[in-house]
Amino acid sequence: NAGVTQTPKFRILKIGQSMTLQCAQDMNHNYMYWYRQDPGMGLKLIYYSVGAGITDKGEVPNGYNVSRSTTEDFPLRLELAAPSQTSVYFCASSYWASDTQYFGPGTRLTVL
Amino acid sequence: RKEVEQDPGPFNVPEGATVAFNCTYSNSASQSFFWYRQDCRKEPKLLMSVYSSGNEDGRFTAQLNRASQYISLLIRDSKLSDSATYLCVVNLASRGSYIPTFGRGTSLIVHP
Repeated sequence: NAGVTQTPKFRILKIGQSMTLQCAQDMNHNYMYWYRQDPGMGLKLIYYSVGAGITDKGEVPNGYNVSRSTTEDFPLRLELAAPSQTSVYFCASSYWASDTQYFGPGTRLTVL
Repeated sequence: RKEVEQDPGPFNVPEGATVAFNCTYSNSASQSFFWYRQDCRKEPKLLMSVYSSGNEDGRFTAQLNRASQYISLLIRDSKLSDSATYLCVVNLASRGSYIPTFGRGTSLIVHP
């Protein structure tokens, strides 16, 4: 099993550009999550999904969108990138809500 | 008051020392609790779940105190390789599911 995979590993965007961060898991997990982590801080939840076709906002959803058309994939879309979105983005999955989360290796995004 | 609070440290200890971290949470309806370890610029990985009865895994012991709303992590006989950031995670009941909320992490530095 590959676990949770994320692409790209690194990306530099210009202000106003858009991009999609990809996340996939092969563990047949129901729950998937997107977090951002700013330097010296904990992880903040952006969006989460409890299953295919169902998504909900987390603590910091503004400026982001998600979709979950399959169990495996949970892409995160950034529209109109801003410098405040410079961060490390982690995707995670778990079988149930109260279970261990498994994380991808992260995407380091810089918006200039 | 933040939902999940941790002392960011750093805790600077010599090899062989015993060190303890606490994490407080504000929502008494919180259901499940975890400690994750995060190495520099890497994804978080589960260290251990935390149960009401307490649990131990080798040199690591985790405790939950529901009455005082905190969880703790004790590391005995610290090793250089224990140097990392330790994140506590509390699953909070919200909108029919459980939303994971991370503390900002406690930095541990073990020196020779």
